[in-house]
Amino acid sequence: EADIYQTPRYLVIGTGKKITLECSQTMGHDKMYWYQQDPGMELHLIHYSYGVNSTEKGDLSSESTVSRIRTEHFPLTLESARPSHTSQYLCASSDMGGNQPQHFGDGTRLSIL
Amino acid sequence: KNEVEQSPQNLTAQEGEFITINCSYSVGISALHWLQQHPGGGIVSLFMLSSGKKKHGRLIATINIQEKHSSLHITASHPRDSAVYICAVSRGGSNYKLTFGKGTLLTVNP
Repeated sequence: EADIYQTPRYLVIGTGKKITLECSQTMGHDKMYWYQQDPGMELHLIHYSYGVNSTEKGDLSSESTVSRIRTEHFPLTLESARPSHTSQYLCASSDMGGNQPQHFGDGTRLSIL
Repeated sequence: KNEVEQSPQNLTAQEGEFITINCSYSVGISALHWLQQHPGGGIVSLFMLSSGKKKHGRLIATINIQEKHSSLHITASHPRDSAVYICAVSRGGSNYKLTFGKGTLLTVNP
């Protein structure tokens, strides 16, 4: 059973606030990912990491930043939230090696007022 | 045009019906993934395949590499199968980047 946790599940917050979305996994996976998904639309990769101290931007440009100080933890930060950041953010992880399935968290639904 | 196209976008079925969801892609891939997303957002990986056919319970996934096409079948559908089914492909020798279809919303009525 996959064990990957995201908090908070829902967040409604005002413009200009600093936000950190948490993602933790207990499977010891080296690869971790952040996706953004607007309602009715496909997922887009915004950040990924191959391991500690490794972070890369994904295919979709995002004003968010990530860090990977510990294997199990991959937080995403928005320094100054704007209404355009309103979306669902999904975290995932996978084991190293070719063609491994990705394990997803339940997502954070973010609304910026 | 998306690199991964799914059809249909929406599908409504009666309990017990056999269901097929299709996925076509236009790029070279190393694997194709079928995922299930329930209301509330959580995503579960159903299958990852690079050739042939896989079966898990009432779910069957097939892929035809030459035709760049995959199908997900659900036999004896049940209301609990209601969800969004997403096709995604990974390219090259690594699966670290997935390209996703927009998903098929399946509703199974009792």
